[in-house]
Amino acid sequence: AQKVTQAQTEISVVEKEDVTLDCVYETRDTTYYLFWYKQPPSGELVFLIRRNSFDEQNEISGRYSWNFQKSTSSFNFTITASQVVDSAVYFCALGGGADGLTFGKGTHLIIQP
Amino acid sequence: DAGVIQSPRHEVTEMGQEVTLRCKPISGHDYLFWYRQTMMRGLELLIYFNNNVPIDDSGMPEDRFSAKMPNASFSTLKIQPSEPRDSAVYFCASNLGTYYEQYFGPGTRLTVT
Repeated sequence: AQKVTQAQTEISVVEKEDVTLDCVYETRDTTYYLFWYKQPPSGELVFLIRRNSFDEQNEISGRYSWNFQKSTSSFNFTITASQVVDSAVYFCALGGGADGLTFGKGTHLIIQP
Repeated sequence: DAGVIQSPRHEVTEMGQEVTLRCKPISGHDYLFWYRQTMMRGLELLIYFNNNVPIDDSGMPEDRFSAKMPNASFSTLKIQPSEPRDSAVYFCASNLGTYYEQYFGPGTRLTVT
């Protein structure tokens, strides 16, 4: 069975600090995909990134960066110079292809001004 | 392009009543997923369809829940009879095919009193 663990239930930082959200996954599939979604207070789920199991290159998109390490089954998400608008619940998810996603419990990120 | 459309956005009903949630996926997407989000259980996959055919309904909690997809542009999730423990946010999502990210609708917040 697949499992995603986001050990940090809630993180609170002051604006402009860097923050890293941890994600650890378990799967027996050799091919799988990892995702991050953002759920702002308005409630919608916004897709941020998809990473396949064969591509361990880190990715950077503006202030966001992702670190995928297959050896430790981790897919961590870092926000650099955080802003109040980054406040949201962030979900890490695992998919094995043509399946639904297995979500972690989410990390509630609070950015204080 | 329009995203995934769900209706109603909010539904309040009394225990024992039938509830029907509706979803229109993104045009051209061939997978459709139904998820439920609660504080206790997080985001759970209920059922998903491929080309209008149900593929995996193992997440449907019990026989009171049923889902249909009569055509590529419409799906329903029905609860009959509804119970207070069904109160949750129900999300519909769609994607283009295997290994692609899922795009979520705004969700339907269901309250059963």
